[in-house]
Amino acid sequence: DIQMTQSPSSLSASVGDRVTITCRPSQNIGSYVNWYQQKPGKAPKLLLYVASSLQSGVPSRFSGSGYGTDFTLTISFLQPEDFATYFCQQSYSTPLTFGQGTRVEVK
Amino acid sequence: QVHLVQSGAEVKKPGASVKVSCKASGYTFTGYYIHWVRQAPGQGLDWMGWINPNSGDTNYAQRFQGRVTMTRDTSISTAYMEFYLRSDDTALYYCAKSAGHDYKTQYAFDMWGQGTVVSVSS
Repeated sequence: DIQMTQSPSSLSASVGDRVTITCRPSQNIGSYVNWYQQKPGKAPKLLLYVASSLQSGVPSRFSGSGYGTDFTLTISFLQPEDFATYFCQQSYSTPLTFGQGTRVEVK
Repeated sequence: QVHLVQSGAEVKKPGASVKVSCKASGYTFTGYYIHWVRQAPGQGLDWMGWINPNSGDTNYAQRFQGRVTMTRDTSISTAYMEFYLRSDDTALYYCAKSAGHDYKTQYAFDMWGQGTVVSVSS
């Protein structure tokens, strides 16, 4: 199985900050990473697919980059509604696997 | 508007099975895979498998093989996940729809059900 290692596990930030979350798969997976946002008591929401493609309706302050074994989710100008937990997921092969999550908290 | 609506919470004993339903609306049910993902309390996301609603083909995560069965009823646009439970299977179980058909989107999930709490306790 492909292990997805996310870092940090949590971070504290302020509105307006630039936030970066990293995801490192245990093997080369090309660009097959998706990113999700999850708020308490809610289902995850797809933000980006194949590393950098923005899902319809997602604000452009969310961006993704990376290839192979190193991927990044960036929130360029953190908004109050962005405080949540973020997960990466590999879609290279089954079993599909997720990172353990990064909780973005208010500083 | 695309919706996935799941059945209600369940309380079961270890060794029992649970069958969770996921009713789709707002899109062509047979056009997109349905995946099942679970989340234990305070934990991350754990993919269980998918079903192709058109063919009925399935792909289960090996660690759940033998305990999980995914089926569908196309006449009512509903997918089902039946799972034989152990004591550590307490979790929120989600169904989720594939975002598309191609290699970029087949294994991304663009719509999720509200989740079904399954509690397992003797």
